[in-house]
Amino acid sequence: EVVMTQSPATLSVSPGERATLSCRASQSVSTKLAWYQQKPGQAPRLLIYSASTRATGIPARFSGSGSGTEFTLTIDSLQSEDFAVYSCQQYNDKYTFGQGTKLEIK
Amino acid sequence: QVQLVESGGGVVQPGRSLRLSCAASGFTFSSYAIHWVRQAPGKGLEWVAVISSDGGKKYYADSVKGRFTLSRDNSKNTMYLQMSGLRDDDTAVYYCAKERAPVAEFDHWGRGTLVTVSS
Repeated sequence: EVVMTQSPATLSVSPGERATLSCRASQSVSTKLAWYQQKPGQAPRLLIYSASTRATGIPARFSGSGSGTEFTLTIDSLQSEDFAVYSCQQYNDKYTFGQGTKLEIK
Repeated sequence: QVQLVESGGGVVQPGRSLRLSCAASGFTFSSYAIHWVRQAPGKGLEWVAVISSDGGKKYYADSVKGRFTLSRDNSKNTMYLQMSGLRDDDTAVYYCAKERAPVAEFDHWGRGTLVTVSS
């Protein structure tokens, strides 16, 4: 099984600043990597797929990068609605998710 | 617009069975594989299972293999997750989700249904 490890577990950032979230795969997943945003009581929302492609309707302040085993989600100029839990998912070998990074207001 | 609506959750005793449904609308249901993903209280997302667009292929996570069974009725735009031999650690919100493309990420999710396994 491909294990996805996200860091940090919690990230405190002030509104207007940049947040950088990391996701590491235990083996190469090429660019078959997605990022989801989840708010309390809500279903996950697809943000990024193929490591760097924004999903429909996702603002340009969200960007993804990486390939192989190391991936990054960057959120520029944080808005109040961006504070949530972010999870990465690989779909190169079955499907596995990271444990999530909680992005909180500093 | 695309909608996925889960139902069938509830409280069930360990060892018992439960069937979840996922009703779809707003897209050509018979053209897409559909997944189940669960989330235990306070935990991360865990992929559970997937059924192909025609129902001919089904894959399960090791944690549910042999206990959970997928099926779908494309004439009703509905898929089902039959869960048997339920255990405490099956307690979770269960989401159904649609693939954006074959073997790809999940572009639409339902709101989930809560399954609580407790004596």
